[in-house]
Amino acid sequence: QKEVEQDPGPLSVPEGAIVSLNCTYSNSAFQYFMWYRQYSRKGPELLMYTYSSGNKEDGRFTAQVDKSSKYISLFIRDSQPSDSATYLCAMSFQYNNNDMRFGAGTRLTVKP
Amino acid sequence: ETGVTQTPRHLVMGMTNKKSLKCEQHLGHNAMYWYKQSAKKPLELMFVYSLEERVENNSVPSRFSPECPNSSHLFLHLHTLQPEDSALYLCASSQDRVNSPLHFGNGTRLTVT
Repeated sequence: QKEVEQDPGPLSVPEGAIVSLNCTYSNSAFQYFMWYRQYSRKGPELLMYTYSSGNKEDGRFTAQVDKSSKYISLFIRDSQPSDSATYLCAMSFQYNNNDMRFGAGTRLTVKP
Repeated sequence: ETGVTQTPRHLVMGMTNKKSLKCEQHLGHNAMYWYKQSAKKPLELMFVYSLEERVENNSVPSRFSPECPNSSHLFLHLHTLQPEDSALYLCASSQDRVNSPLHFGNGTRLTVT
């Protein structure tokens, strides 16, 4: 079993749709959870990070962590064509970049 | 100018060539990283430097050789690569190795023929 599983997609939605991106993980010791966005021909950029369980909201983006199910989600409301990118989940035990584990990324296209 | 700059953007090399990838960060960070990104695979951490000392080497083949001459510059020297080494090589930096987000460059797309 992979340590972090992420459906690679591709996922295609119409503009204005609510998007749900998900990752599952196997190691219950993970405590810090991140979402990175990677535009085509660019490097990843940190979008959001959360500690332990719960929700975190930033504008149209909501990150959700369910540690009991070992499942994290990123919701995008009112999706825009500019949200078209690959979204990578990542997680670590002590927010130590040496032990960060990444998902393979989900490619999202938002069609106008 | 982005915070982390990588050159070249694209590189095609034969299996017997020697080449180097360059990374420069303008953020005053203390830690720098090399990652490998292959299609539909998670990012793989290759090397970590903190204050110019290598602190992590994740079982990377010796045909990859990193160099960190100062806290702003990082190189990845390549020799006798294999076709399966074709990938996007990403450099990143962070203020420290802990509690600090990673800032990535735009990568070097490497093709080994």
